Amino acid sequence: EADIYQTPRYLVIGTGKKITLECSQTMGHDKMYWYQQDPGMELHLIHYSYGVNSTEKGDLSSESTVSRIRTEHFPLTLESARPSHTSQYLCASSGRQGAGDTQYFGPGTRLTVL
Amino acid sequence: AQKITQTQPGMFVQEKEAVTLDCTYDTSDQSYGLFWYKQPSSGEMIFLIYQGSYDEQNATEGRYSLNFQKARKSANLVISASQLGDSAMYFCAMRASSGGSYIPTFGRGTSLIVHP
Repeated sequence: EADIYQTPRYLVIGTGKKITLECSQTMGHDKMYWYQQDPGMELHLIHYSYGVNSTEKGDLSSESTVSRIRTEHFPLTLESARPSHTSQYLCASSGRQGAGDTQYFGPGTRLTVL
Repeated sequence: AQKITQTQPGMFVQEKEAVTLDCTYDTSDQSYGLFWYKQPSSGEMIFLIYQGSYDEQNATEGRYSLNFQKARKSANLVISASQLGDSAMYFCAMRASSGGSYIPTFGRGTSLIVHP
């Protein structure tokens, strides 16, 4: 069973606030990912990391930023939340090389910006 | 570029029957991996099954099996003996080398409803 955690699970916040979504994993995986997903829709990769001090932007343009200072921790920050940021955010990690590298997901954070 | 296509937005199945969820993929890479995930209404993504492009046998995990037809570029998920708890969104995904990065690509998903 995967050990990947996200907090908070639910967040309702006003426009303009700065927020940080937390993601941590205890599996020692080198790769971590953030996805954005609207209900019942496809996943969009917004950020990923291959290891400490490595971060890359994904396919979907995002106003968020990420950092990877420790292997187990990959927080996502929105400097100024807007209603368009309302969505579910899923964090994932993986630890193998090549095509067989399975991602394991956290429970997600459902963000609502009023 | 890699692409995953799931053409069934919604599927219905009677409890205890088998159901097949379709997935086709497109890649020019020889080495790739195919994955299926289940997403219940609670939102988490649960890994179900993996098939490697060089695997000669279809992958199986309990009631889940992956019908891998390489020449047709299809990787359909078969759920046998459906249960009410199988009602969820199901996503097909692929990892293939894109400049060596192996960034995963997801399909749009299929909503499965199992009714009594």
